[in-house]
Formats: sequence, structure tokens, C-alpha cells
Amino acid sequence: AIQMTQFPSHLSASVGDRVTITCRASQDIRNDLGWYQQKPGKAPNLLIYATSRLQSGVSSRFSGSGSGTDFTLTISSLQPDDFATYYCLQDYNYPWTFGQGTRVEVQ
Amino acid sequence: EVQLVESGGGLVQPGGSLRLSCAASGFSFSTYWMNWVRQAPGEGLVWVSRISSDGTTTAYADSVKGRFTTSRDNAQNTLYLQMTSLRAEDTAVYYCARDDSLAYSGGYYTYFSYWGLGTLVTVSA
Repeated sequence: AIQMTQFPSHLSASVGDRVTITCRASQDIRNDLGWYQQKPGKAPNLLIYATSRLQSGVSSRFSGSGSGTDFTLTISSLQPDDFATYYCLQDYNYPWTFGQGTRVEVQ
Repeated sequence: EVQLVESGGGLVQPGGSLRLSCAASGFSFSTYWMNWVRQAPGEGLVWVSRISSDGTTTAYADSVKGRFTTSRDNAQNTLYLQMTSLRAEDTAVYYCARDDSLAYSGGYYTYFSYWGLGTLVTVSA
């Protein structure tokens, strides 16, 4: 199975900060990667798919980049609603695998 | 409006069985692949299974292969997850999620744009 290593596991940031989260795949997954945001007690919410395509209705302060094995999610200016946990997911081949998650907390 | 509503969770003893359901509405259920994703308490997300739109193709995580079976009834707009030989480590909130895909020259990008609220399964004596 493809291992998705996500880091950092948690980070503390302030409103207005630029935040970057990284996922590294154990093998080439081309651009078959998405990013999800999850708040406590809620279902995940799709932010980015196909590495860099912004889901409809998601703020443009979220962006994704990368290819092959290294991928990043960037929040250009952190807003109060963005404090949450973020996961990457590879859909290159089965079994699909999520990263371990990054919890973004208030500094 | 797309809605996915899971049900069937509860407390079950180790070695027992349980069937989860996911009732879909607001879209043409029979034309979409569907998934199950779970999350143990305080832990991360884990993809569990996927089923094709016509129900003929399935895929599973290694941790549930041979114990869980995903199926669907397109006439009833319902997705199922039959879980057997349950273990304590299967304790989790189980979400159903709709597959969406974007074709490109090399295949499809797949993503989950709609999720249910989840149903909690607790495996304990």
C-alpha cells in the first residue's frame, strides 16, 4: 500500500499567517491527490482535488501544488474558520490512503 | 440537495456482525461510485471500501478485506456495509461518501465531494 506521510502533525498559527502542509507519498502518485478539512464532530469537507483544483465554493486562499511524491496545501492568510484538521488522500491506486492529518491550532 | 444518511451503528460484541446503511437522495444514485470511510475516536481518516455504480466492482482496505462486504441497492438508493468478525479496532464513526471524478488523458481523478454525517460503531464486550 502507498504510505502518505503528512507533516507537520500539528501547528500553531495566528490569523493572517501563511500556512503550508505537506504530504509525501511512498511512490509516484502522479497528481492523484486531494485535500480535506475536518472540524470536530463533523464530516470532512473537500478543499482540493487533482492536486491543485479548487472545489467549487471553497475559498481561493486555499491552494494545492505538487506532483509525483511531494504535495503541499497552502492557506495564504489563515482565517478563524480555518482552525481544523487537514488530511491528504491519494486515489492513485488501492487501497486509497489518507495522510495522518495536520491539526491547525490557534497560537 | 445531495444527502447521505448513515444508519445501523451501535454496540456489538467482538466477533459479532453489523450492517450499516447509507440512504442517498438528491442525485442519481445509480450513476455514482460510492465509498465507506471510517474514523476511530481521536484518530485519522481511513478509507474502507469502494463500490462501482452498478455494484459489480468493489475494493477494500487490507484491514477489512475478507470481513467486510460493501453492496448497494440502486432501486432503493441505498449503500450497505456488512461487517463480520468485528474487532475492537473496528470501533469508529463510519461515513459514506460519494465518488466524483474528473477525466483526464491518463484516467480519472477521484474525490469525495459529499459525505454523510456518520454512524458510530462500537465493538466491545
